[in-house]
Amino acid sequence: EDQVTQSPEALRLQEGESSSLNCSYTVSGLRGLFWYRQDPGKGPEFLFTLYSAGEEKEKERLKATLTKKESFLHITAPKPEDSATYLCAGNSGGSNYKLTFGKGTLLTVNP
Amino acid sequence: DAGVTQSPTHLIKTRGQHVTLRCSPISGHKSVSWYQQVLGQGPQFIFQYYEKEERGRGNFPDRFSARQFPNYSSELNVNALLLGDSALYLCASSVDRDGYTFGSGTRLTVV
Repeated sequence: EDQVTQSPEALRLQEGESSSLNCSYTVSGLRGLFWYRQDPGKGPEFLFTLYSAGEEKEKERLKATLTKKESFLHITAPKPEDSATYLCAGNSGGSNYKLTFGKGTLLTVNP
Repeated sequence: DAGVTQSPTHLIKTRGQHVTLRCSPISGHKSVSWYQQVLGQGPQFIFQYYEKEERGRGNFPDRFSARQFPNYSSELNVNALLLGDSALYLCASSVDRDGYTFGSGTRLTVV
């Protein structure tokens, strides 16, 4: 069974304090590792898709990386508006067209 | 360009009742997926439809059903509601198996 585990469950940072979020996955025939941002009461907002080990993508203060077992979301010099839950999801190969999500990391950035 | 539209945004139902949730995908997107997100958890896959055919089904009871219409919009139906069905129901549309865009969701409360 496909599994995605995110750590830590919650992370509190001071503004400007860089850190990383972890996503460990066991997804058969992985076809895409997704990162989403979710604000309270809203739907997930797409950030990145990574397809192969060694791939990196960047967007503003965020950079996502992928290995064969893990993905990291690096946050450089975060601002309070980066506070949100960050979700990681794996897209499996085969005939089952589903995303398997982790529970997310709740990030709080204090001014 | 309009994003994924879901209706209603909020809904309160009584145990045992039936509910219908609706989703309009992004123009040009032929695939619609449904996810259930319980508070504090990541979204869980319920169904995916492509060109009106069911392409995938998650581990949900037969009380959950869905369909996709010729215009690619979709309905999720839940019969015999239980308290445990209270959740945020998310719809995602995609062109293919990549690039899933989520709507803002329908918050269902069963009392």
